[in-house]
This record gives sequence, structure tokens and C-alpha cells, in this order.
Amino acid sequence: DIQMTQSPSSLSASVGDRLTITCQASQDISSSLNWYQQKPGKAPKLLIYDASNLETGVPSRFSGSGSGTVFTFTIDNLRPDDIATYYCQQYDNLPSWTFGQGTKVEIK
Amino acid sequence: QVQLQESGPGLVKPSQTLSLTCTVSGGSISSGAYYWNWIRQLPGKGLQWIGNIYYSGSTDYNPSLRSRATISVDTSKNQFSLKLSSVTAADTAVYYCASGPLGEGHFDYWGQGTLVTVSS
Repeated sequence: DIQMTQSPSSLSASVGDRLTITCQASQDISSSLNWYQQKPGKAPKLLIYDASNLETGVPSRFSGSGSGTVFTFTIDNLRPDDIATYYCQQYDNLPSWTFGQGTKVEIK
Repeated sequence: QVQLQESGPGLVKPSQTLSLTCTVSGGSISSGAYYWNWIRQLPGKGLQWIGNIYYSGSTDYNPSLRSRATISVDTSKNQFSLKLSSVTAADTAVYYCASGPLGEGHFDYWGQGTLVTVSS
């Protein structure tokens, strides 16, 4: 199984900050990686697909990059509404999808 | 826009079978455009893909749950279902149904999720 390791597990940042989350795959997954946002009590919401493509309707403050085994997710100009847990998800070895452990983002 | 809604008992006794149904609206399961998935979130933990089904009835499962999970589809009702047998407290989780576009690797539409507690 492909394991996904996210870091950090939590972070605290100020409004207006730029923050970056990293997801590392246990083996090469090319660009087969997505990013989701989950707010408390809600279902995850797709933000980025295929490592760097912004889902329709998602603000351009969110971005993703990377390929192979290391991927990054960035939020520019952090807003209070961005408080959530963010998950990466790989789909290289279908039909088995796996998620990272999540990164909880809080506002200072 | 596709909408999904989970339904089923919120409390299941240990060793029994968990049964959930996902009703799809705003689109047809028979369109063939999606795989239909079950995903769960263990308390305070991350997300685990359980399995999926295509409108034809073809299924795939997470190897760790394959022996206990069964997913079925009822195209006449535009629903698909999950059965998880021999449950234990470790199966207590929020269960989501979600759609995954054919040929893609992401999940675009999700149900609101339903909490299932395994307890006597």
C-alpha cells in the first residue's frame, strides 16, 4: 500500500500569512494527488486535483505543486474562513485510494 | 449538480451488520459517468476509502475491509448501499458516500455523512 505522510499535523498562522503543507508519498505517484478541505462537521471539499489543478470555484489563494513523492499545498493570504483540516489523497494505485493524516490549520 | 444523502441506523450492536444507503439526486447512477464510493472517518482520525461500485455492479474494495464489506447498487431507485459485517467498536465512524468521476482519481460530490456507533 502507498502511505501518505502529511506535515505538519497542525499549525497556527496569522490572517494574511502564507502557509504551506507537505505531503510525502511512500513511492512515486507521479501527479496522482488531490487536496481537500474539511471544516468541522462537514464533508471534505475538493480544492486541488492532479497535484496542481484548481477545482472550479475554488479561490486562487489555494495552490498545489509537486510530483513523484513530494507535494506541497499553499494558502496565500490566509483568511479566518480557512480554518479547517486539510487532507492529501493519492490515486496512483487504483482501485485503492489513500489519504494523508490531515493538517489542522488554526488562526493565531 | 449531483447530491448524495446517506441513511441508515446510527447505532449497531457488536458482531452485527452495518447497513447504509446513499440516495443520489441531480444525476443518474446509470449515466456511467461516475464510480460511487463509500468513505469513512474514524473519530478524531483521517479518512479511509472503503470501496466503490459502478452502475454495472462492478465493485472494488479496500483490501483491509474486503472480507467484511459489500457494496450494491439499485439503479431503479438511484441508490447504492454498503453492508459491513461483524462490526466492532473500531468500526464506529462517520460514513460518507461520494462520487468519483470515471477516469479521474478524485471525489467531487459528497454526502453530509452519517455517524454510526457500534455499541451494545
